[in-house]
Amino acid sequence: SAVISQKPSRDICQRGTSLTIQCQVDSQVTMMFWYRQQPGQSLTLIATANQGSEATYESGFVIDKFPISRPNLTFSTLTVSNMSPEDSSIYLCSVELWESAYNEQFFGPGTRLTVL
Amino acid sequence: KQEVTQIPAALSVPEGENLVLNCSFTDSAIYNLQWFRQDPGKGLTSLLLIQSSQREQTSGRLNASLDKSSGRSTLYIAASQPGDSATYLCAVRTGANNLFFGTGTRLTVIP
Repeated sequence: SAVISQKPSRDICQRGTSLTIQCQVDSQVTMMFWYRQQPGQSLTLIATANQGSEATYESGFVIDKFPISRPNLTFSTLTVSNMSPEDSSIYLCSVELWESAYNEQFFGPGTRLTVL
Repeated sequence: KQEVTQIPAALSVPEGENLVLNCSFTDSAIYNLQWFRQDPGKGLTSLLLIQSSQREQTSGRLNASLDKSSGRSTLYIAASQPGDSATYLCAVRTGANNLFFGTGTRLTVIP
Protein backbone atom coordinates (compact mmCIF):
# COMPACT_ATOMS: atom_id res chain seq x y z
CA SER A 1 0.00 0.00 0.00
CA ALA A 2 0.96 3.67 -0.13
CA VAL A 3 0.88 6.33 2.56
CA ILE A 4 -0.06 9.70 1.12
CA SER A 5 -0.05 13.01 2.95
CA GLN A 6 -1.49 16.32 1.83
CA LYS A 7 -0.99 19.88 2.99
CA PRO A 8 -2.97 21.83 3.95
CA SER A 9 -5.75 19.64 5.25
CA ARG A 10 -8.17 22.52 4.88
CA ASP A 11 -8.20 26.20 4.06
CA ILE A 12 -10.57 29.10 3.71
CA CYS A 13 -9.58 31.49 0.95
CA GLN A 14 -10.76 34.73 -0.55
CA ARG A 15 -12.05 35.01 -4.08
CA GLY A 16 -9.33 35.82 -6.61
CA THR A 17 -6.47 34.32 -4.63
CA SER A 18 -4.56 31.09 -5.32
CA LEU A 19 -3.81 28.07 -3.17
CA THR A 20 -1.12 25.45 -3.66
CA ILE A 21 -1.79 21.96 -2.34
CA GLN A 22 1.10 19.61 -1.66
CA CYS A 23 1.06 15.85 -1.95
CA GLN A 24 3.78 13.56 -0.61
CA VAL A 25 3.93 9.79 -1.12
CA ASP A 26 6.04 7.37 0.91
CA SER A 27 7.27 5.50 -2.18
CA GLN A 28 8.30 6.35 -5.70
CA VAL A 29 5.43 6.28 -8.16
CA THR A 30 5.27 6.92 -11.87
CA MET A 31 1.93 8.66 -11.98
CA MET A 32 0.12 10.85 -9.50
CA PHE A 33 -3.46 11.92 -9.94
CA TRP A 34 -5.43 14.92 -8.76
CA TYR A 35 -9.15 14.65 -8.17
CA ARG A 36 -11.84 17.10 -7.18
CA GLN A 37 -14.92 16.25 -5.17
CA GLN A 38 -17.51 18.97 -5.11
CA PRO A 39 -20.02 19.00 -2.25
CA GLY A 40 -22.33 16.01 -2.43
CA GLN A 41 -20.70 14.72 -5.60
CA SER A 42 -18.42 11.87 -6.53
CA LEU A 43 -14.83 12.23 -7.64
CA THR A 44 -13.77 13.89 -10.87
CA LEU A 45 -10.27 13.48 -12.26
CA ILE A 46 -8.54 16.82 -12.86
CA ALA A 47 -5.22 15.67 -14.26
CA THR A 48 -2.52 13.03 -14.29
CA ALA A 49 1.01 14.09 -13.38
CA ASN A 50 4.09 12.23 -14.57
CA GLN A 51 7.52 13.14 -13.33
CA GLY A 52 9.51 15.06 -15.90
CA SER A 53 6.65 15.92 -18.21
CA GLU A 54 3.64 18.19 -18.36
CA ALA A 55 0.48 17.03 -16.67
CA THR A 56 -2.35 15.63 -18.76
CA TYR A 57 -5.63 17.41 -18.09
CA GLU A 58 -9.11 16.00 -18.37
CA SER A 59 -11.85 17.68 -20.33
CA GLY A 60 -13.04 20.80 -18.56
CA PHE A 61 -9.78 21.43 -16.71
CA VAL A 62 -6.97 23.67 -17.97
CA ILE A 63 -3.40 24.28 -16.94
CA ASP A 64 -3.88 28.00 -16.36
CA LYS A 65 -6.51 27.30 -13.73
CA PHE A 66 -4.92 24.19 -12.19
CA PRO A 67 -1.15 24.27 -12.71
CA ILE A 68 0.58 21.12 -11.50
CA SER A 69 4.18 20.43 -10.64
CA ARG A 70 5.84 17.03 -10.38
CA PRO A 71 9.47 17.63 -9.50
CA ASN A 72 10.25 14.06 -8.41
CA LEU A 73 8.74 10.60 -8.01
CA THR A 74 7.31 11.18 -4.52
CA PHE A 75 5.91 14.71 -4.65
CA SER A 76 3.42 16.83 -6.55
CA THR A 77 1.60 20.13 -6.14
CA LEU A 78 -1.71 21.35 -7.46
CA THR A 79 -2.46 25.07 -7.54
CA VAL A 80 -6.01 26.34 -7.70
CA SER A 81 -5.67 29.75 -9.33
CA ASN A 82 -7.87 32.83 -9.25
CA MET A 83 -10.34 31.05 -7.02
CA SER A 84 -14.08 31.53 -7.02
CA PRO A 85 -16.72 30.03 -4.71
CA GLU A 86 -17.35 27.33 -7.34
CA ASP A 87 -13.87 25.98 -6.58
CA SER A 88 -14.94 25.04 -3.07
CA SER A 89 -14.33 21.30 -2.99
CA ILE A 90 -12.23 18.56 -1.53
CA TYR A 91 -9.06 18.08 -3.58
CA LEU A 92 -7.56 14.62 -3.44
CA CYS A 93 -4.16 13.34 -4.46
CA SER A 94 -3.99 9.73 -5.59
CA VAL A 95 -1.46 7.17 -6.76
CA GLU A 96 -1.71 3.87 -8.53
CA LEU A 97 0.42 0.99 -7.33
CA TRP A 98 1.10 -2.19 -9.21
CA GLU A 99 0.92 -5.28 -7.03
CA SER A 100 1.95 -8.37 -9.00
CA ALA A 101 -0.39 -8.27 -12.00
CA TYR A 102 -2.93 -5.70 -10.88
CA ASN A 103 -3.08 -2.04 -10.07
CA GLU A 104 -4.71 -0.55 -6.99
CA GLN A 105 -5.55 3.09 -6.32
CA PHE A 106 -4.73 4.88 -3.08
CA PHE A 107 -5.80 8.32 -1.94
CA GLY A 108 -4.52 11.00 0.33
CA PRO A 109 -6.64 12.47 3.15
CA GLY A 110 -7.78 15.36 0.96
CA THR A 111 -7.64 19.14 1.19
CA ARG A 112 -10.93 20.79 2.01
CA LEU A 113 -11.08 24.17 0.30
CA THR A 114 -13.70 26.83 0.98
CA VAL A 115 -13.68 29.96 -1.17
CA LEU A 116 -15.56 32.97 0.15
CA LYS B 1 -18.25 5.89 -21.66
CA GLN B 2 -18.41 3.84 -18.48
CA GLU B 3 -21.18 4.84 -16.08
CA VAL B 4 -21.20 3.64 -12.50
CA THR B 5 -24.33 3.74 -10.38
CA GLN B 6 -24.76 3.03 -6.69
CA ILE B 7 -28.07 2.26 -5.09
CA PRO B 8 -29.32 3.25 -2.61
CA ALA B 9 -27.88 6.74 -2.27
CA ALA B 10 -28.41 6.56 1.49
CA LEU B 11 -29.12 3.76 3.93
CA SER B 12 -29.84 3.65 7.65
CA VAL B 13 -29.72 0.41 9.58
CA PRO B 14 -29.74 -0.56 13.28
CA GLU B 15 -26.52 -1.77 14.78
CA GLY B 16 -25.86 -5.47 14.30
CA GLU B 17 -27.75 -5.80 11.06
CA ASN B 18 -26.17 -7.28 7.95
CA LEU B 19 -26.41 -5.09 4.86
CA VAL B 20 -25.66 -5.02 1.16
CA LEU B 21 -24.52 -2.07 -0.94
CA ASN B 22 -24.94 -2.23 -4.70
CA CYS B 23 -22.80 -0.98 -7.56
CA SER B 24 -23.62 -1.36 -11.26
CA PHE B 25 -21.59 -0.42 -14.31
CA THR B 26 -22.50 -0.19 -17.97
CA ASP B 27 -19.39 -1.59 -19.67
CA SER B 28 -18.34 -5.06 -18.57
CA ALA B 29 -14.84 -4.68 -20.05
CA ILE B 30 -13.17 -3.82 -16.77
CA TYR B 31 -9.77 -4.62 -15.29
CA ASN B 32 -10.83 -4.46 -11.67
CA LEU B 33 -13.26 -2.91 -9.24
CA GLN B 34 -12.45 -1.22 -5.95
CA TRP B 35 -14.60 -0.39 -2.97
CA PHE B 36 -13.64 2.66 -0.90
CA ARG B 37 -14.83 4.18 2.33
CA GLN B 38 -14.96 7.94 2.82
CA ASP B 39 -15.61 9.62 6.14
CA PRO B 40 -17.16 13.12 6.03
CA GLY B 41 -14.73 15.70 4.66
CA LYS B 42 -11.94 13.14 4.42
CA GLY B 43 -10.06 11.17 1.79
CA LEU B 44 -10.78 7.67 0.54
CA THR B 45 -9.69 4.45 2.20
CA SER B 46 -9.38 1.39 0.00
CA LEU B 47 -11.43 -1.50 1.39
CA LEU B 48 -11.35 -4.24 -1.22
CA LEU B 49 -10.16 -4.74 -4.76
CA ILE B 50 -11.57 -7.44 -7.04
CA GLN B 51 -9.82 -8.39 -10.24
CA SER B 52 -11.94 -8.97 -13.33
CA SER B 53 -11.14 -12.69 -13.12
CA GLN B 54 -12.31 -12.97 -9.50
CA ARG B 55 -15.79 -13.48 -8.11
CA GLU B 56 -15.30 -12.16 -4.60
CA GLN B 57 -12.92 -10.80 -2.01
CA THR B 58 -13.20 -10.82 1.77
CA SER B 59 -11.66 -8.70 4.48
CA GLY B 60 -12.93 -9.14 8.01
CA ARG B 61 -16.64 -8.34 8.09
CA LEU B 62 -16.59 -7.14 4.50
CA ASN B 63 -17.26 -9.27 1.45
CA ALA B 64 -17.31 -7.88 -2.07
CA SER B 65 -18.63 -9.82 -5.04
CA LEU B 66 -18.31 -9.18 -8.75
CA ASP B 67 -20.51 -10.35 -11.61
CA LYS B 68 -18.77 -8.82 -14.58
CA SER B 69 -21.16 -10.16 -17.19
CA SER B 70 -24.15 -8.46 -15.59
CA GLY B 71 -22.18 -5.34 -14.63
CA ARG B 72 -22.75 -5.64 -10.90
CA SER B 73 -20.85 -5.68 -7.65
CA THR B 74 -22.07 -5.87 -4.09
CA LEU B 75 -20.43 -5.00 -0.80
CA TYR B 76 -21.74 -7.06 2.09
CA ILE B 77 -21.13 -5.78 5.61
CA ALA B 78 -21.80 -8.25 8.39
CA ALA B 79 -22.86 -7.31 11.91
CA SER B 80 -22.77 -3.58 11.22
CA GLN B 81 -21.36 -1.20 13.83
CA PRO B 82 -21.75 2.57 14.34
CA GLY B 83 -18.13 2.93 13.25
CA ASP B 84 -19.13 1.65 9.82
CA SER B 85 -21.07 4.87 9.23
CA ALA B 86 -19.49 6.52 6.19
CA THR B 87 -19.96 6.93 2.47
CA TYR B 88 -19.02 3.87 0.42
CA LEU B 89 -17.81 4.38 -3.13
CA CYS B 90 -17.18 1.84 -5.83
CA ALA B 91 -14.83 2.50 -8.73
CA VAL B 92 -14.22 0.47 -11.86
CA ARG B 93 -10.99 0.50 -13.81
CA THR B 94 -11.25 0.11 -17.56
CA GLY B 95 -7.60 0.70 -18.38
CA ALA B 96 -4.52 2.62 -17.39
CA ASN B 97 -5.53 5.93 -15.82
CA ASN B 98 -9.22 5.18 -16.36
CA LEU B 99 -11.00 4.91 -13.03
CA PHE B 100 -14.72 5.62 -12.94
CA PHE B 101 -16.43 6.34 -9.64
CA GLY B 102 -19.97 5.82 -8.53
CA THR B 103 -21.86 8.49 -6.64
CA GLY B 104 -21.64 6.60 -3.37
CA THR B 105 -23.96 5.21 -0.71
CA ARG B 106 -24.11 7.10 2.56
CA LEU B 107 -24.47 4.53 5.35
CA THR B 108 -25.65 5.34 8.86
CA VAL B 109 -25.56 2.61 11.50
CA ILE B 110 -27.80 3.52 14.40
CA PRO B 111 -26.63 2.42 17.87
